Amino acid sequence: GENVEQHPSTLSVQEGDSAVIKCTYSDSASNYFPWYKQELGKGPQLIIDIRSNVGEKKDQRIAVTLNKTAKHFSLHITETQPEDSAVYFCAATDNYGQNFVFGPGTRLSVLP
Amino acid sequence: DAGVIQSPRHEVTEMGQEVTLRCKPISGHNSLFWYRQTMMRGLELLIYFNNNVPIDDSGMPEDRFSAKMPNASFSTLKIQPSEPRDSAVYFCASSFGQRTDTQYFGPGTRLTVL
Repeated sequence: GENVEQHPSTLSVQEGDSAVIKCTYSDSASNYFPWYKQELGKGPQLIIDIRSNVGEKKDQRIAVTLNKTAKHFSLHITETQPEDSAVYFCAATDNYGQNFVFGPGTRLSVLP
Repeated sequence: DAGVIQSPRHEVTEMGQEVTLRCKPISGHNSLFWYRQTMMRGLELLIYFNNNVPIDDSGMPEDRFSAKMPNASFSTLKIQPSEPRDSAVYFCASSFGQRTDTQYFGPGTRLTVL
C-alpha cells in the first residue's frame, strides 16, 4: 500500500519568510496530491491540490510542486503570516481513491 | 451551508461503556468518511461510504467498532465496549464525489475513555 512521509515535523519561520514542506510517496500509481491545513480545535481543511498531469499549481501565496519521477511533492508558502500557523498534512492517492493516505503532519509556527 | 456537523464535540466515558458518535454530511454529498486522529498514528481512515454503502472498512480497528449510514444525511460510529486506547479525535468528512474529490471535514469529536 501507499506510504507517505512528510518533513519536517516542525517548522518555525519569521513572519514574511517562506516555508517549504516536503512529502514523498511510494505508490507510483498515485496521481492526486492534496494539502490540508488544520488549525487548533478544528478539522483539516483543503488548501490546495495537484494532479499528476501538472508539475506546479499556485494560489496566491501558496504553491505546490510535483516531481513524479522522484515521487515527491512540496508545499510552498511565501510571505508567511501568523495566521499561517497550523498543522499541515499532505496526502496521496490514485484515480480511484485507493490507498488514500495522509502524511504525519508538519507543525508550522510563524513568529511575529 | 452549515458544513459537516458532528456531535458530541466532546465525550468522556468509562472503559466498557458504549460510545456513539454522530455525523451529518453536507447536503448533496454522496461520500462520507470517518477518520481517527492521534498523536502516535496521525490521521487514519476508518471507513468510507459511497451512496450510503460501506465501500472500504479496512481501517476499522476491530469488531468493537461499527459504522452505519442509514440515509444520505446521517451516519454513526459506535464503539462497544470502549477502551482507553480508543481515546482520540474522531473526524467525519464528506465529499461530492469519491475519495479524490475535495473532502470537507467536520470539527471532530474528542473522545476520552477513562
